[in-house]
Amino acid sequence: KNEVEQSPQNLTAQEGEFITINCSYSVGISALHWLQQHPGGGIVSLFMLSSGKKKHGRLIATINIQEKHSSLHITASHPRDSAVYICAVPTTSGGGADGLTFGKGTHLIIQP
Amino acid sequence: NAGVTQTPKFQVLKTGQSMTLQCAQDMNHNSMYWYRQDPGMGLRLIYYSASEGTTDKGEVPNGYNVSRLNKREFSLRLESAAPSQTSVYFCASNVMPEGSQHFGDGTRLSIL
Repeated sequence: KNEVEQSPQNLTAQEGEFITINCSYSVGISALHWLQQHPGGGIVSLFMLSSGKKKHGRLIATINIQEKHSSLHITASHPRDSAVYICAVPTTSGGGADGLTFGKGTHLIIQP
Repeated sequence: NAGVTQTPKFQVLKTGQSMTLQCAQDMNHNSMYWYRQDPGMGLRLIYYSASEGTTDKGEVPNGYNVSRLNKREFSLRLESAAPSQTSVYFCASNVMPEGSQHFGDGTRLSIL
């Protein structure tokens, strides 16, 4: 069964700063997911990636399959980026057929 | 598009009462999932349905039952609610188990 570790657990930064959130997992996977949960609870899928890098607006996700590690970066951070960011991987090496295992999340606060 | 719809949004139950949480998706997705989210624990998989007609246990299935009523609907039943089942419950779906998941807005359930 895959284990997921995220760091940091909490992060407070000033508007405009470059943000990095890290995720490590224990079992080889086909793809890793990054999710965002805003106060009030809604969960949105940001990225699913299996290699290299993906970019969407100011968000960049990278993955190193050999190192079993992924990072989520936010450039030019803004208060509206304040949310919990969650990393998730397939529970087993089966690719997600038996569900995802989630990290505990990184609580990000961007101050104006 | 409604996406994934969960009902109810909030519910308070007494210990021993039963309840069914409803989930419906209008995206023609094959796979559906039920998670619970507790402070400090991250999201944990309760049950999932990889396709219509199939259901499987996740990480924390005890005390719950599910029904995949048709391709659109996947319900979660608490037969005899316990205070330990106080949580926020999320339903999710995707086209195939390896794909990005779409989440409902969650049901906040309190068991007194």
